[in-house]
Order: sequence, then structure tokens, then C-alpha cells
Amino acid sequence: GAGVSQSPRYKVAKRGQDVALRCDPISGHVSLFWYQQALGQGPEFLTYFQNEAQLDKSGLPSDRFFAERPEGSVSTLKIQRTQQEDSAVYLCAVASARGSYEQYFGPGTRLTVT
Amino acid sequence: DAKTTQPPSMDCAEGRAANLPCNHSTISGNEYVYWYRQIHSQGPQYIIHGLKNNETNEMASLIITEDRKSSTLILPHATLRDTAVYYCIVRAVSGSARQLTFGSGTQLTVLP
Repeated sequence: GAGVSQSPRYKVAKRGQDVALRCDPISGHVSLFWYQQALGQGPEFLTYFQNEAQLDKSGLPSDRFFAERPEGSVSTLKIQRTQQEDSAVYLCAVASARGSYEQYFGPGTRLTVT
Repeated sequence: DAKTTQPPSMDCAEGRAANLPCNHSTISGNEYVYWYRQIHSQGPQYIIHGLKNNETNEMASLIITEDRKSSTLILPHATLRDTAVYYCIVRAVSGSARQLTFGSGTQLTVLP
């Protein structure tokens, strides 16, 4: 929706492997969010960027999770030493302005850790 | 953000109105009611939001009770493509953007 692409769409990683998930929004979106969605549950907040500044990372489940948005556009979510419990869909969402009513979500990356 | 309660699942016949309820009895004065839906294998999609007045757009209508403790999302003529999980979210909108807090939602199945 609204030009948010995520890659890869599917990723299979062996336990202990590092992965990088990419979110590529069209320009003009100040706010960017990452969410994690476990099977059968609603998305859960991970972290929030306003332009290149990471203003809230309270939802990151452990220090193995790291996110960046160096130029205020593309964002990468990195997971180090993946564990089976990291298996989930990772969703990226953007909003056009601070306090924007509407968030536009990408299709997500389905990560399976074996 | 206030907690919301929704039925886990509902069925609706194609062409009929789908009425999805949401309880948010602890909502505070500055919190809006949002509805999103998530079709299988897609990201959530914004539907509508409101503060205290009823709202309508091309997708749906939102009816909020006078005491704001509950609301109903109405899809006036449900189609098979409306089969999805529907999330009711209560959220304050302040000067800085805030994340959405999703619950478990209602799985709406539109039957042919």
C-alpha cells in the first residue's frame, strides 16, 4: 500500500544465522515503523523512526535486533544469531507526517528460522 | 492506549451488511477509534477512524456510541474480497507519531 515494498518476501535462515530485512518506501514519509507478527496474532510494535532518527526502540525483543534508516528513506531490520522464536512476519509501515492518522503497510517479510 | 475487545470470528453472507463490534470501555477523551483490516498474506490496510461522530467513507461506516465505550464497523454490502481479519484500535494522536497497538481482531468470513 502507498508504495511500500519489502524484501525479501520470504527468508529461511538456519538457527544462528544473521539476516537483514529491507523496507523501501516511496519518498516523503517522515515516520517509519517496524512490527513483528507471529502466526495467528496481531502485529506488535518493534521500533519507530522519524526521518533518520530512531526515536523509539522499546519493542525490540532483544539486543540481537537492530534497525537503521541512515538517510531517512530505506530502512533495514537486522537480526543477529537468529533463534526459532524469531520466526514471524516482519512488517514495515510508514506515515506521511507526525501524528498522521493513517499508516501504510508493506506486504511483510516472512522469516522462518529452522 | 485503551484496550479493545472484539469477537474472534464472524460470518456474513455475500451482499449483506457486515457489522463488526468493538468494545473500548476505558477509552479516554483524546483517543480515536481506528479500524484496519488484514487480508491473508498482506499487510494491514487502513479503513476508517473517528473520534465521537459517526464517519463514512468509500469503504465503510463507523458508528461510535454516545458514551464512546463501543463502536461498530459496517461494511454495507460485503463481498468475498472483504474476508479478512479486522482490527479495532484505540489510539491518541499527539504531536509525534505513535505506533498502533493491535489486538487479536475479528476474522470476518464472507460466505457465497
